[in-house]
Amino acid sequence: DGGITQSPKYLFRKEGQNVTLSCEQNLNHDAMYWYRQDPGQGLRLIYYSQIVNDFQKGDIAEGYSVSREKKESFPLTVTSAQKNPTAFYLCASSQGANFNEQFFGPGTRLTVL
Amino acid sequence: AQKVTQAQTEISVVEKEDVTLDCVYETRDTTYYLFWYKQPPSGELVFLIRRNSFDEQNEISGRYSWNFQKSTSSFNFTITASQVVDSAVYFCALLPSGTYKYIFGTGTRLKVLA
Repeated sequence: DGGITQSPKYLFRKEGQNVTLSCEQNLNHDAMYWYRQDPGQGLRLIYYSQIVNDFQKGDIAEGYSVSREKKESFPLTVTSAQKNPTAFYLCASSQGANFNEQFFGPGTRLTVL
Repeated sequence: AQKVTQAQTEISVVEKEDVTLDCVYETRDTTYYLFWYKQPPSGELVFLIRRNSFDEQNEISGRYSWNFQKSTSSFNFTITASQVVDSAVYFCALLPSGTYKYIFGTGTRLKVLA
């Protein structure tokens, strides 16, 4: 079945450690996205990529990094520079811009101890 | 400025009641796209509907219906005869034409009580 996978579902890390969240899609979509969701809040865009080997900062990119070496993969690294990394992270993809809905993964809940 | 406002933070209804979730958007673009997503307790957002700015036709899909009015910049979502399974957070989103950045509202948490 086509879709987006994110792993792991729950992730615990010690403060000061970098951690990488996985996102893979087999929908053959060009665009991929990372969002952060805090309790009771909406989705905030961290990074997005329109095409392989290209990505842009979203609204809250500080303390995060991404790569897009393959069309199907868009990993997100939460660095130690991110001051409050505990949150729910959602990956999404879409087939280009204009009128195309996003497909979302199941999310990763990151807790920094 | 481009913005989506979902003023209702949380709504509680009793099963079988009708409920409307409000969405007001701001954009200067003449071409844009609007979406509704449902986020159940599992966390994954599920796409419900999309509309482009040139299509003001209302849509009904089973118990769901959407009212798009450009004159008031609103794209409201109504659930008829609500069920417990409708309990979720619902997000409205705006996509300006030619961009990849979706603009989400803060969501409305709907609780349907048995």
